[in-house]
Amino acid sequence: GQQVMQIPQYQHVQEGEDFTTYCNSSTTLSNIQWYKQRPGGHPVFLIQLVKSGEVKKQKRLTFQFGEAKKNSSLHITATQTTDVGTYFCAVNSGNTPLVFGKGTRLSVIA
Amino acid sequence: DAGVTQSPTHLIKTRGQQVTLRCSPKSGHDTVSWYQQALGQGPQFIFQYYEEEERQRGNFPDRFSGHQFPNYSSELNVNALLLGDSALYLCASSHDSSPFYEQYFGPGTRLTVT
Repeated sequence: GQQVMQIPQYQHVQEGEDFTTYCNSSTTLSNIQWYKQRPGGHPVFLIQLVKSGEVKKQKRLTFQFGEAKKNSSLHITATQTTDVGTYFCAVNSGNTPLVFGKGTRLSVIA
Repeated sequence: DAGVTQSPTHLIKTRGQQVTLRCSPKSGHDTVSWYQQALGQGPQFIFQYYEEEERQRGNFPDRFSGHQFPNYSSELNVNALLLGDSALYLCASSHDSSPFYEQYFGPGTRLTVT
């Protein structure tokens, strides 16, 4: 079945530093979604990328879909303590079930 | 506008017992998916319900079954509980037009099997 690798597994940053998490697939993806899960919380949808090379921004968050549609990244500029949580990428093809990566857990030290 | 609700919040069961978890989808949503999230892992798809029928199923044994009611709410049943069934069970709702797009997750039910 479809699998997706996320790196790094953990990231500890000082508040104000940047953060990037990567999602990689061995197969071409039709789309990719990103979710955030706060500690003790539930996943919350952030965004979906569909087009090759697509870049979308949400305030300090920048999402990118690779040209070959096999990888994606989420970059946070100037992290804040409110960014703490686990960031998951999730992939599927058409109406097949979402397959989630294992996530990148972000800790922000104030 | 109420989001996705789940009950109970926490549950402790013994091996071999059966459990039923409940979910009410976000208003306007007609599709419910269930996920199992083990500690430190991403959610894993169990199955999806639409129009009171199981539409898709992940790689879970028949001990996991579900139901959807006419009001779109759903139940997840797990029989013959194993220690490995301990996890956070998440319900996610969406609209049938895009059943796996922008899923709204509930707060989850934390199941502990002892």
